[in-house]
Amino acid sequence: KQEVTQIPAALSVPEGENLVLNCSFTDSAIYNLQWFRQDHGKGLTSLLLIQSSQREQTSGRLNASLDKSSGRSTLYIAASQPGDSATYLCAVVSGTASKLTFGTGTRLQVML
Amino acid sequence: SAVISQKPSRDICQRGTSLTIQCQVDSQVTMMFWYRQQPGQSLTLIATANQGSEATYESGFVIDKFPISRPNLTFSTLTVSNMSPEDSSIYLCSVRRTGEDEQYFGPGTRLTVT
Repeated sequence: KQEVTQIPAALSVPEGENLVLNCSFTDSAIYNLQWFRQDHGKGLTSLLLIQSSQREQTSGRLNASLDKSSGRSTLYIAASQPGDSATYLCAVVSGTASKLTFGTGTRLQVML
Repeated sequence: SAVISQKPSRDICQRGTSLTIQCQVDSQVTMMFWYRQQPGQSLTLIATANQGSEATYESGFVIDKFPISRPNLTFSTLTVSNMSPEDSSIYLCSVRRTGEDEQYFGPGTRLTVT
C-alpha cells in the first residue's frame, strides 16, 4: 500500500526566503506526482505535475523535482511571499487504478 | 484546466439527516472522484463516480452511507446519509480528463454535523 509523507509538517519563514518542501513515498512504481496548494478551508489548486520519466518541472517561482528510485520529491519555492502562505500537498498516482494518494501536507506561513 | 463548481459551499446539518452535494464541471471529463478531508487531515478518496453505473468505493466507504450518482459526463452528486458528528469534513469533487494526467479539484463543501 502506497504511503506518502511530507516533511516538515509546518514551516514559518520570513518573506524573501527560498524554501524546500519534501515529499516521500514508499512505493517507487508511480506514474506521476502532483503538487497542490490548499488555502485554509478551500479546495485544491494544482501547481505542478511530474511524470515518472521526468526529473523536474518549473512554473514561475516553483520548481519540483522527482527522484523516483529513492521515492522522493521536493518543491522549491523561490523568493517566498506572504501570498504563498497555504498548505502544500503532494500526491502520487500508482497502481492499476490510477488513483491519487495524498501526503500529510506542509503548512507554510510566510511572514512580512 | 477544468472549472468545477460545488453546491452547497457549506452547510450545518443535524444528526440523522442526509445532505446531497452537487458537482458540476464545465466540460466533459472521463473520471470524477469524491474525496473527504476530515479536520486537520489530508484527503481520503471515498469513491470513483462512474457514468451510468454504480460508483467504485474505497475500503471503509459503503454505498448505503455515501450514495453517488453520475448521470452524465459533467455532473455528479454525493449524498452523506444518516449523518453523525464524525461526518463533519470538507467534501471535494475532483476530475480528470481523457488523455490527461492532471487532476483538478472543486472548491469543496464544508459540512458540519451537530
